[in-house]
Amino acid sequence: AQSVTQPDIHITVSEGASLELRCNYSYGATPYLFWYVQSPGQGLQLLLKYFSGDTLVQGIKGFEAEFKRSQSSFNLRKPSVHWSDAAEYFCAVGAGTSGTYKYIFGTGTRLKVLA
Amino acid sequence: NAGVTQTPKFRVLKTGQSMTLLCAQDMNHEYMYWYRQDPGMGLRLIHYSVGEGTTAKGEVPDGYNVSRLKKQNFLLGLESAAPSQTSVYFCASSYILILYEQYFGPGTRLTVT
Repeated sequence: AQSVTQPDIHITVSEGASLELRCNYSYGATPYLFWYVQSPGQGLQLLLKYFSGDTLVQGIKGFEAEFKRSQSSFNLRKPSVHWSDAAEYFCAVGAGTSGTYKYIFGTGTRLKVLA
Repeated sequence: NAGVTQTPKFRVLKTGQSMTLLCAQDMNHEYMYWYRQDPGMGLRLIHYSVGEGTTAKGEVPDGYNVSRLKKQNFLLGLESAAPSQTSVYFCASSYILILYEQYFGPGTRLTVT
């Protein structure tokens, strides 16, 4: 069955430290992969997406993610975290075709940033 | 350009009551979606629509109905609310299925007592 796993429910980092959020997926074909961020009380905003090509993708707000097919992973990274990055982050897989559509989200990782 | 808007922002219902959540988008998107978000479960797709007059079931459709009479609007109905439907509901829209990003509304927090 198709699934997305975010193994870390909560992560706490100090401001200025590097960040890596993990995402593993299970899908038979080449997936379309996404990272979204949700600030408190807000909807979701797309950070970046992977469809094909270069496995290292750049997104907004200084985030990047690397697709590793052999590990079925799409981890999100940021070299230096800012206090405003505190939010919940969701990894998602888009799979299927028109008429048999699925868009599967992971359960999220809540990021806390220490000053 | 308001993007995706949702009405209402908050609602409290009693078990058995009905209500309709309205989603509107002004981006001329073909595709629209309804999700529910529950703690520890991420977002789950309830229903979606690939165009005016068409709807399809998602992952958790039971207890909900939807309609897409106009391209810009996608309505989510609860005919007989249950406490299990207490959740935050998000609407989203997109240009092309899967390939492009989904634009999310701010959410509706629904409590069923």
